[in-house]
Parts: sequence; structure tokens; C-alpha cells
Amino acid sequence: AQSVTQLGSHVSVSEGALVLLRCNYSSSVPPYLFWYVQYPNQGLQLLLKYTSAATLVKGINGFEAEFKKSETSFHLTKPSAHMSDAAEYFCAVRSSMYSGGGADGLTFGKGTHLIIQP
Amino acid sequence: EAGVTQSPTHLIKTRGQQVTLRCSPISGHTSVYWYQQALGLGLQFLLWYDEGEERNRGNFPPRFSGRQFPNYSSELNVNALELEDSALYLCASSSDRHTEAFFGQGTRLTVV
Repeated sequence: AQSVTQLGSHVSVSEGALVLLRCNYSSSVPPYLFWYVQYPNQGLQLLLKYTSAATLVKGINGFEAEFKKSETSFHLTKPSAHMSDAAEYFCAVRSSMYSGGGADGLTFGKGTHLIIQP
Repeated sequence: EAGVTQSPTHLIKTRGQQVTLRCSPISGHTSVYWYQQALGLGLQFLLWYDEGEERNRGNFPPRFSGRQFPNYSSELNVNALELEDSALYLCASSSDRHTEAFFGQGTRLTVV
């Protein structure tokens, strides 16, 4: 079984400040991990993914995440927040038994709403 | 290039009715995935179709079903609608299970 916990349903940061969105997972086998972003009235867009290569993963729009096996974490960071980053962010896990980076059988966290203060 | 398109964008149904949602994948994509995004429950995996076959299914009752057509478009059918079926239904497509999936904007279903 696999599960994802996102700490904080809402996170508020000032424009230009560091963004840190927390994600912890549990998985009985080595996981694949994903971060998706959802803008209002939009579908999900893949920000980045970890599929057992480098533990520090760089994604689009200046976001990155680090896979820490010992902490079972995959936190999302961005050095400097921009107003356009305001959105809902979802962490997801997928068992490596599925192989690859597709959307089959993803388990999502409940999401974190990122608010950017001017 | 057109993205994943879903229709309709919104609909309202009465409890007990049946509904069909439609999804057109990105050209060249053969895998289609369906997810339910319900308030308080988050995103939950429903179904995966590839090359016309159902390949995997989430923990949903049999009244949730679907199919994939030869042109790789897909339908999601929900029978005997219940109030808790109210949700945003998202469709995604990928060229295969190993590659990134792209999501559509979803169909907002309200059951009254």
C-alpha cells in the first residue's frame, strides 16, 4: 500500500520569499514520486518527477524537489516566489512495480493551496 | 497541438440517473486515465485504458465503467448516480505507461 501526506492545506508566502511545500510518503516498494500543479479551472500539470535517478530533481518554473529516503520525504521548493505561482500543488506516489512515469495508479496527497502575498 | 479535451465541461444530474463523460487524448497517445477529484477526498485513480483495453482499475464500485474506442478516445460511464459522485472528473493521456501524462481541464459533475 502507498500513501501521501502533504503537511499544510494552505501555505502563504510573500512574493520573493522561499517556497517550501512538504510531502511525505509511504510505500512498500521503492516509489516514483511526482509534483503536479493545478491552476484554477485547469487540469493538472506535471512540475517534476523522481524515478530513481538523481535525488535532486529540477522541474519547470524554477521548482525543484529532493528525494530523501531516510525521511521518506519529497519536499518541493522554489527560491523566490512569484505571484503566478499561486495554485494548488499535489504530491503523488506510484509504486515502481508499475515502472515508468505514467499516470497509472497514482496516489495523490490532499493538496496544498499556495498563496502568494504581494 | 491540441491537448486533452473533455466534454462536457459541466453538467448536473439527478440522483439515480446515468451519465457519460468523454475524453479525447492528445494525438498519438494510446493510454487514457480517469481520475475523480472530490471535495475532501482529493484525487483518486479510477481507470486506465490502453490500446482499447482496461488495464487497471481503482477502488471504485462496478457502476463506474468505461471504454476506449479505436481512435483512442474514451468514455467514462457512471450508473445509478449518488450525491457523493459529485466531483471533478479528470482525464489524462500519455503515449504509454512509462511517459508523462497530460491532463485535461475536467468535467464538473454535480448530482442533486
